[in-house]
Amino acid sequence: DADVTQTPRNRITKTGKRIMLECSQTKGHDRMYWYRQDPGLGLRLIYYSFDVKDINKGEISDGYSVSRQAQAKFSLSLESAIPNQTALYFCATSDLQAAAGESDTQYFGPGTRLTVL
Amino acid sequence: QQQVKQSPQSLIVQKGGIPIINCAYENTAFDYFPWYQQFPGKGPALLIAIRPDVSEKKEGRFTISFNKSAKQFSLHIMDSQPGDSATYFCAASKGDRDDKIIFGKGTRLHILP
Repeated sequence: DADVTQTPRNRITKTGKRIMLECSQTKGHDRMYWYRQDPGLGLRLIYYSFDVKDINKGEISDGYSVSRQAQAKFSLSLESAIPNQTALYFCATSDLQAAAGESDTQYFGPGTRLTVL
Repeated sequence: QQQVKQSPQSLIVQKGGIPIINCAYENTAFDYFPWYQQFPGKGPALLIAIRPDVSEKKEGRFTISFNKSAKQFSLHIMDSQPGDSATYFCAASKGDRDDKIIFGKGTRLHILP
C-alpha cells in the first residue's frame, strides 16, 4: 500500500550493529504496528502504538525498541542486532475512527528485508 | 486462548480447483474474522472479513464459511487461478477499539496452471 512506506526496503548488517527501520503513513490513522514475518511462524507483533503517547509491547518485543515521533511516523530499532533477527519486517496502520471490527483492519507497508550476518 | 490456529501450512491445487484453508480459535470474545492475502514481495492486504452474526460471506470467487459453535472459519476459493497463488492469513479480533488483531501462521497456496 503506497500510503504506508517503509525505509529501507532491504538491509544487510552485522551482528552487534544498531539499526533503525522507519515507517511513515499518509492515511491519517492513529494506530501503528510493527510485525516480523518468518517462514512457518506467520506475522508476530513486536510493538504497537495507539497514539503518539501510547506504546505497547507485543508478542516478541525483546531486543527491539520503538519511537512514535509523530502520528505519521513509527520507527523500530534493533540496539544490537543478532542473526536470529533476520526476517521480513512490516509496519502497519489501522483506523481508530472506523466502525467497530473494521477499526482493526491492518494496512501494511511493503516490508523491509533485514539480514543480520 | 489468544491463538488462531491455521491449516494447512501449504497447499497445492490444480487450476479450477477449490482450495480450502481452515482456522480455529478459542477465545469466544473474538467477533471479527478477516482474511489477508500476501503476494511475494508485498505486504499482506485485507481480502475478505466476516462477523459471527452470519455463517457465510462471498466476495467474487472468495467465500468465508463461519461455524460459531465449532469456533472455526474457513476460506474457499472458487475456480482457482494461478494468480491466486499467494500466502493467506486468517486473523481474529475482539472488535473493541483497544484490542489488537491476532494472526494465524499463514498458508502458502500454489495454483498449478
